[in-house]
Amino acid sequence: AQTVTQSQPEMSVQEAETVTLSCTYDTSESNYYLFWYKQPPSRQMILVIRQEAYKQQNATENRFSVNFQKAAKSFSLKISDSQLGDTAMYFCAFMNGGSQGNLIFGKGTKLSVKP
Amino acid sequence: KAGVTQTPRYLIKTRGQQVTLSCSPISGHRSVSWYQQTPGQGLQFLFEYFSETQRNKGNFPGRFSGRQFSNSRSEMNVSTLELGDSALYLCASTTEPQLKSLHGYTFGSGTRLTVV
Repeated sequence: AQTVTQSQPEMSVQEAETVTLSCTYDTSESNYYLFWYKQPPSRQMILVIRQEAYKQQNATENRFSVNFQKAAKSFSLKISDSQLGDTAMYFCAFMNGGSQGNLIFGKGTKLSVKP
Repeated sequence: KAGVTQTPRYLIKTRGQQVTLSCSPISGHRSVSWYQQTPGQGLQFLFEYFSETQRNKGNFPGRFSGRQFSNSRSEMNVSTLELGDSALYLCASTTEPQLKSLHGYTFGSGTRLTVV
């Protein structure tokens, strides 16, 4: 069975600084996808970034980028120029490829951006 | 374009009762999934529906059930409520199962269920 581990329950960063959230996963599959979701106090999960396992190039979305290390099964999220609106829970998630997969989430990291 | 709509936002029920939660996906999305979020267990997959058929089911007891209607709206039902069923229930939609890894899911804001 696949598992996703986020080892940092809470983190804080100063506004405009850079922060990296860690995520490791375990799977024997070769076709899979990885995601970072953000859950602000409004409770809605918002997709931040996704990565296909077969792509070596790390995904980037504006201030958000990932460091995908497939051999190490590591998928960290880097947030540059942190903003107060980035304060939220961040969840790393895994999904098998194909149509039968569902999201498997880590326990989350609570990120606080301080002014 | 309206997002994923879940109703009600909050619900308080008594042990032993049953409850029905509703989810309306984004227009054009035909696949709906449900997740349970608790502080102890985190986010756990309940089930996925597409074309009114359950395609995938998580490891939950039979008290948890769902269905999908022809307009893609979905409901989930929990019978004989237990205190441990208190949770945030999130609904997520995507276009169709074959594209969910490409498009990801769009989530609703959830229904907060409290069982007393």
